Amino acid sequence: DTGVSQDPRHKITKRGQNVTFRCDPISEHNRLYWYRQTLGQGPEFLTYFQNEAQLEKSRLLSDRFSAERPKGSFSTLEIQRTEQGDSAMYLCASSLRNEDEAFFGQGTRLTVV
Amino acid sequence: SQQGEEDPQALSIQEGENATMNCSYKTSINNLQWYRQNSGRGLVHLILIRSNEREKHSGRLRVTLDTSKKSSSLLITASRAADTASYFCATDAGNMLTFGGGTRLMVKP
Repeated sequence: DTGVSQDPRHKITKRGQNVTFRCDPISEHNRLYWYRQTLGQGPEFLTYFQNEAQLEKSRLLSDRFSAERPKGSFSTLEIQRTEQGDSAMYLCASSLRNEDEAFFGQGTRLTVV
Repeated sequence: SQQGEEDPQALSIQEGENATMNCSYKTSINNLQWYRQNSGRGLVHLILIRSNEREKHSGRLRVTLDTSKKSSSLLITASRAADTASYFCATDAGNMLTFGGGTRLMVKP
């Protein structure tokens, strides 16, 4: 499978715990995006990378959120001190270049209890 | 904030009928992309139309783009029960994709 891969697919955590998600983009895709989606809504932009550089962050990305793409390949999204409002689907996408098609992974569904 | 807004929010049709979904946006764009999402799953890329294109086809899909009206439409012809899903438009203004709230399509067999 050469699509975007996300791990884990599901995560249940207790409020206050830290969680980390991983995204493996399509090989050689330079752009990598993180989105968050709540039930019945469209995806909301969180941040994106051009290779290893994080170029833009949404104001949705509070200080508790951090994302990295250390070698310009896979990326991680960490949420510290999770809150119930963080419960959502976290989606990763990649594209070869700017203004190209963006392909999404299956997402990580986070439930904070 | 969501730049694209889909209309209608929900659509129910019979198998074999055509389904038309519309998307309006607010700012200039480089391209517009349509996605499908089955319940609880990731988004599947359907089609990309660039700002200098007016119409594009892919199988049973037809997409139009009117940059003067800042609007796009997605037509699914001869719908099937398997087309039941949420459909999203996403606008690319140069840095990221901005999604609308989606149209929930139900195709009854």
